[in-house]
Amino acid sequence: DSGVTQTPKHLITATGQRVTLRCSPRSGDLSVYWYQQSLDQGLQFLIQYYNGEERAKGNILERFSAQQFPDLHSELNLSSLELGDSALYFCASSTSLNTEAFFGQGTRLTVV
Amino acid sequence: SQQGEEDPQALSIQEGENATMNCSYKTSINNLQWYRQNSGRGLVHLILIRSNEREKHSGRLRVTLDTSKKSSSLLITASRAADTASYFCATGIIQGAQKLVFGQGTRLTINP
Repeated sequence: DSGVTQTPKHLITATGQRVTLRCSPRSGDLSVYWYQQSLDQGLQFLIQYYNGEERAKGNILERFSAQQFPDLHSELNLSSLELGDSALYFCASSTSLNTEAFFGQGTRLTVV
Repeated sequence: SQQGEEDPQALSIQEGENATMNCSYKTSINNLQWYRQNSGRGLVHLILIRSNEREKHSGRLRVTLDTSKKSSSLLITASRAADTASYFCATGIIQGAQKLVFGQGTRLTINP
């Protein structure tokens, strides 16, 4: 158990819908990362937050947004969902900006 | 685009043999990390090597880093069936915050 909790574990939704994925980082970790993993794209970095502030952005679509709250949990919002958004979404946390990251078990999103 | 590229994409060896995986990257890094992923599950951190280090050991794992060649290798000695997994390298790039960028991974199969 990495100490990073992601909910829900599985999510099935229809095209055009909006979903929210939640991540609770390890106790004391200030940094949260979001990744998307699909079969044909590998593990894609989406966005990183540090102590509530967005610090780095990757290949995140405009339909996707995220935030980190004062209690350090983070949410990833996916809207206007398309079939191609079906993937595993991982959250990871780390203590600071230059240390190892610990991953949650992921949310498997299926868009039908 | 991916920063790191693992080689080979797939590796199959007999139990007890050593497994070597390589990672090449393109830009300057702050650190390089190796992770393991069992099918469909979260990534597990294995080892972190900083840009000013050349070699690091952890149990049966040995990681080398050659910043002049922008490459790293992961050696797993005396492999076991439980080592069967996908292995990813991730480069830590400091751009105001650590952007952890993953390669496509090496699928390692240990045959009993």
